[in-house]
Amino acid sequence: EDKVVQSPLSLVVHEGDTVTLNCSYEVTNFRSLLWYKQEKKAPTFLFMLTSSGIEKKSGRLSSILDKKELFSILNITATQTGDSAIYLCAVETGGSYIPTFGRGTSLIVHP
Amino acid sequence: DGGITQSPKYLFRKEGQNVTLSCEQNLNHDAMYWYRQDPGQGLRLIYYSQIVNDFQKGDIAEGYSVSREKKESFPLTVTSAQKNPTAFYLCASSFRGIANTEAFFGQGTRLTVV
Repeated sequence: EDKVVQSPLSLVVHEGDTVTLNCSYEVTNFRSLLWYKQEKKAPTFLFMLTSSGIEKKSGRLSSILDKKELFSILNITATQTGDSAIYLCAVETGGSYIPTFGRGTSLIVHP
Repeated sequence: DGGITQSPKYLFRKEGQNVTLSCEQNLNHDAMYWYRQDPGQGLRLIYYSQIVNDFQKGDIAEGYSVSREKKESFPLTVTSAQKNPTAFYLCASSFRGIANTEAFFGQGTRLTVV
């Protein structure tokens, strides 16, 4: 059975802090790992990672994948209150392309 | 504007009733999915469809049914057999057979049993 585990499950920080969210996985036939941000309703896409060691970056957010150790991290630097959300990690496997989601990390950023 | 639309946003159901949640997309996506989200549980797959007139059970299909008569539409029926239907339901779609494309989500339907 495919498994995606995110940690921590919740995190409370102050504006300006840097946070690191973790996603580990055990799947057969890995294809890609995706990060989504869910603020209120619809998750929105952040990054897709397919190759080890290549950092994807968008503003203050960055992510990297380690296919040998089977994990990914999502970094957010200089956090803002607008970063408060649930961050979801999903893994797609070859063949079905069906993403398996982790439980998410709930991030709260206080002013 | 291309996108994926779910309706209604809020739905109240009496015990013993069936209700149907709507999901429509105009992104020309082949694959569509239904997920259920409970607090602290992430997204759990209910059903998915990769082509018209075909669909497959996900991890928690019991008490739910779907149809895929048109490419654009993938309605979910929550039947009276679903013992704990109160949850947030998300519909998503993506291209099928094309590697490494992300899923797009609707705004969700919050179902409450009263």
